[in-house]
Amino acid sequence: DAGITQSPRHKVTETGTPVTLRCHQTENHRYMYWYRQDPGHGLRLIHYSYGVKDTDKGEVSDGYSVSRSKTEDFLLTLESATSSQTSVYFCASGPMVGQETQYFGPGTRLLVL
Amino acid sequence: DAKTTQPPSMDCAEGRAANLPCNHSTISGNEYVYWYRQIHSQGPQYIIHGLKNNETNEMASLIITEDRKSSTLILPHATLRDTAVYYCIAVNAGGTSYGKLTFGQGTILTVHP
Repeated sequence: DAGITQSPRHKVTETGTPVTLRCHQTENHRYMYWYRQDPGHGLRLIHYSYGVKDTDKGEVSDGYSVSRSKTEDFLLTLESATSSQTSVYFCASGPMVGQETQYFGPGTRLLVL
Repeated sequence: DAKTTQPPSMDCAEGRAANLPCNHSTISGNEYVYWYRQIHSQGPQYIIHGLKNNETNEMASLIITEDRKSSTLILPHATLRDTAVYYCIAVNAGGTSYGKLTFGQGTILTVHP
């Protein structure tokens, strides 16, 4: 499996505070993704990146921003956390377009009180 | 990407083959069929993918009908560790898809002793 890690693995925060989740991959994959998973909704794409400094919105991007300053790191920021952003967040990476095999991290459980 | 339809749940006895069906009747000629699975509390894991031909790897086999409107994932000798949610996804590989995946609800496979 690709070396992909997420930090923190668990976080509890309060409404209105900023939160940053980090995804780190050691496979030199060009493409990286952030998903959230909620009961009844399955996995939904938040943002994705197709290269350093190249990012775009996914299905549920409102309230989230991302940054990718290095190939190996993809950061997801909740500017002002809300209770509706309580979820499990998964990061994934993939080597190339046309080879849509994605490798997922272990997930971050975020609770917004 | 084409919509896929999977049964919500299936059971299988340990040691027997698990055959998981997927319907993708509106799939287009350049869409691949990808299978992922998600074991409880873990990130999704890539299993196998195919376009037209049947495929086999160390984890599973993928059988795609000649008209490409449906496929079957086969786990030849299911074990308790194969208990998971299995997702069948039609992916327009390449172009502007950037490898984005749209997950449905999947099939909950329960392997019994």
